[in-house]
Amino acid sequence: GAGVSQTPSNKVTEKGKYVELRCDPISGHTALYWYRQSLGQGPEFLIYFQGTGAADDSGLPNDRFFAVRPEGSVSTLKIQRTERGDSAVYLCASSLTSGRAGNEQFFGPGTRLTVL
Amino acid sequence: DQQVKQNSPSLSVQEGRISILNCDYTNSMFDYFLWYKKYPAEGPTFLISISSIKDKNEDGRFTVFLNKSAKHLSLHIVPSQPGDSAVYFCAASASGGYQKVTFGTGTKLQVIP
Repeated sequence: GAGVSQTPSNKVTEKGKYVELRCDPISGHTALYWYRQSLGQGPEFLIYFQGTGAADDSGLPNDRFFAVRPEGSVSTLKIQRTERGDSAVYLCASSLTSGRAGNEQFFGPGTRLTVL
Repeated sequence: DQQVKQNSPSLSVQEGRISILNCDYTNSMFDYFLWYKKYPAEGPTFLISISSIKDKNEDGRFTVFLNKSAKHLSLHIVPSQPGDSAVYFCAASASGGYQKVTFGTGTKLQVIP
């Protein structure tokens, strides 16, 4: 079956612009996560969805970052007024549930965002 | 504040020998630990996990050891194969209803044929 897909694979934008990054989780997975991986670092948690609601958005760095999952499947990470420091690989993951059973997170290949 | 630390950014091992990747953590609330493997241009892939009620978990060539008192875990790969060459991330989570996972910075393993 299809894994987690993310589009675009690469995004180059200018400072101050708005970007949207899309994640298609594995069908039937109720939990969805966004991470950001900067160069030389591990993935850093941004936000977690259980169904349509954001259960934990404590990792979002500031109010320029926002994510939605309106129908409980596809999610979009939105970044307003991008800054050069936002340049990173944005990873999406999904899992069957959010509890310990069935909680293995499956990652997509990521979107590499470059802000010039 | 790096709660999960992988102090070795890289490791080279001869094919057939044992690879040992180390990880330390500082948050005593962590009770579930995972290792992920990442190839270039791909997302991390789950490899093996261990609960804090155990001190060892084995899956084929991969074994994870947990020393709670030292807040230390290690991943052993034996025998190492060239296809194991990748970046390995140690990760941890705390009980609380879902797996908010905290990752280390990764160790790049190179297995030399």
